Amino acid sequence: DTGVSQDPRHKITKRGQNVTFRCDPISEHNRLYWYRQTLGQGPEFLTYFQNEAQLEKSRLLSDRFSAERPKGSFSTLEIQRTEQGDSAMYLCASSLALVARDTQYFGPGTRLTVL
Amino acid sequence: EDKVVQSPLSLVVHEGDTVTLNCSYEVTNFRSLLWYKQEKKAPTFLFMLTSSGIEKKSGRLSSILDKKELFSILNITATQTGDSAIYLCAVEQSENSGYALNFGKGTSLLVTP
Repeated sequence: DTGVSQDPRHKITKRGQNVTFRCDPISEHNRLYWYRQTLGQGPEFLTYFQNEAQLEKSRLLSDRFSAERPKGSFSTLEIQRTEQGDSAMYLCASSLALVARDTQYFGPGTRLTVL
Repeated sequence: EDKVVQSPLSLVVHEGDTVTLNCSYEVTNFRSLLWYKQEKKAPTFLFMLTSSGIEKKSGRLSSILDKKELFSILNITATQTGDSAIYLCAVEQSENSGYALNFGKGTSLLVTP
């Protein structure tokens, strides 16, 4: 158990619905990342936060996706008007950025199925 | 375009065999290369490599990086069925690239009894 938790672990929704996922990073980790993983692929970067600031967004993150980290602790990822192509595992990772190398530790993921 | 390529994509071996997994990369602003093991859940961290030629070792697993030829290998000796997993290679890029990890597709390893 790396200490990163995600909720829910599984989500089934109908196309067009909105969904929200939550990630709780390892305590005191100041960086938090969201990735998406589809079958047979490695995780793909979506966005990352340093404390509460969202510093980088992938072009994979369409306007229907929004992420927040309001107090620099937990983060939420919302997908509006879900499409079948959004079906994937959404992984959260956190790290403690110091002068030396920081390692990203992953949570168990939220598996989204859009019907 | 940045890319990370792993080979082979899948591998089946018998318990006790030694395996070598490959990862080559072409990225801008290279910072480090990481190996993760993924079973049916979160990727778990194995190694971070930043310098060429220095082997990292943990039990039966070892890894080395060649920054001149832009590749890394992950070796597993005396494989066990519990080593069955997907092994992911990722390259971390520097601050200018947002510290994101750029993953390969992974190598799916199956160790049979």
